[in-house]
Amino acid sequence: DAKTTQPTSMDCAEGRAANLPCNHSTISGNEYVYWYRQIHSQGPQYIIHGLKNNETNEMASLIITEDRKSSTLILPHATLRDTAVYYCIVRHGGGSSNTGKLIFGQGTTLQVKP
Amino acid sequence: DTGVSQNPRHKITKRGQNVTFRCDPISEHNRLYWYRQTLGQGPEFLTYFQNEAQLEKSRLLSDRFSAERPKGSFSTLEIQRTEQGDSAMYLCASSPRVNTGELFFGEGSRLTVL
Repeated sequence: DAKTTQPTSMDCAEGRAANLPCNHSTISGNEYVYWYRQIHSQGPQYIIHGLKNNETNEMASLIITEDRKSSTLILPHATLRDTAVYYCIVRHGGGSSNTGKLIFGQGTTLQVKP
Repeated sequence: DTGVSQNPRHKITKRGQNVTFRCDPISEHNRLYWYRQTLGQGPEFLTYFQNEAQLEKSRLLSDRFSAERPKGSFSTLEIQRTEQGDSAMYLCASSPRVNTGELFFGEGSRLTVL
């Protein structure tokens, strides 16, 4: 699975959009981009994933560049409860023959400030 | 609550003792994963089960570690002759047979070895 690079930490003002970048320049054609977050003292939580099209759900939006070498997770209106470590992970798509394991990096610590 | 359940949530033990953690995955999830997380690091993959079969083990899983999933439902992770370096959060996750990349994590079991 391709390696990802994320900034170590970021700050965001409460109520503003949080834009978390991720570089994955070695991503291959059948690899997806996944985002998870981990709030302090809890297990990681799935946020969103995508292949090449932009994706949106109730939690966030995922913007993937046309060359797929980078992506941005957008939290449109950050709240204090969004303070967490955000992990960008690249791995092959699902299917019954794939183990499905995720390889986590160190992620980005997002601090949402009042 | 129908999420992934882990017990105990906290365990303090003396060096050299054995400890066992239990994970109850989401019902009908046939895939189960164990991860270890130390302070300031992302979760590290330890092992993967599909039903009762242990299909992958990380090199991190030394001979002192053993994991089982006897009936394809709950799983146990045993650490024998604990060392101070084993102090970490042990996370369990499960996912359905056809994996979409969404792993459902438990709250974790925190081990402190004195």
